[in-house]
Amino acid sequence: AQKITQTQPGMFVQEKEAVTLDCTYDTSDPSYGLFWYKQPSSGEMIFLIYQGSYDQQNATEGRYSLNFQKARKSANLVISASQLGDSAMYFCAMRPPSGYSTLTFGKGTMLLVSP
Amino acid sequence: SQTIHQWPATLVQPVGSPLSLECTVEGTSNPNLYWYRQAAGRGLQLLFYSVGIGQISSEVPQNLSASRPQDRQFILSSKKLLLSDSGFYLCACMRAGHYNEQFFGPGTRLTVL
Repeated sequence: AQKITQTQPGMFVQEKEAVTLDCTYDTSDPSYGLFWYKQPSSGEMIFLIYQGSYDQQNATEGRYSLNFQKARKSANLVISASQLGDSAMYFCAMRPPSGYSTLTFGKGTMLLVSP
Repeated sequence: SQTIHQWPATLVQPVGSPLSLECTVEGTSNPNLYWYRQAAGRGLQLLFYSVGIGQISSEVPQNLSASRPQDRQFILSSKKLLLSDSGFYLCACMRAGHYNEQFFGPGTRLTVL
């Protein structure tokens, strides 16, 4: 069974600073995908970034980057130059190698960005 | 581009009443569809997924059921709601592409009283 652990219930960061949101995972599958989603107070789930287990380089998407450490089974999200609009819940999720693309989510981290 | 519609947006129902939540998808055909529930302050729990018309897989035994009567329609139902059915229900579709990520509808907030 797959498991995602997000140990930070809440994080605070000042505007323009960088912040790291932690995610560790547990799986016996050699092939898997890791995702980060953002959920603002409106409730919509917004896809941010993806890392494949066989990807050699850490994923980057604009201000988002993923610090992927496969041996440690961690996939931390780094947000650079935080903005007020980054305040939201952030979820780490894992997809197994099956063809149905079901996702297992962590419990999330609430990020608050202050001016 | 793909779009997911969900209705209603919010719903307040008494315990023991039936439930029907609808999800429709535009801009794609034969999508993989998913129902998730999010309890207050928690992560998402996969309830059902479907890879085609009439094909439903249940992830968690519960008071709910799902149906897929049409290619781009996914319905979540209950005959008798429980208090524990309260939550935020999200429909998702797999976006075929490089990442095959799931993209989500706007959700339905259900309160059972």
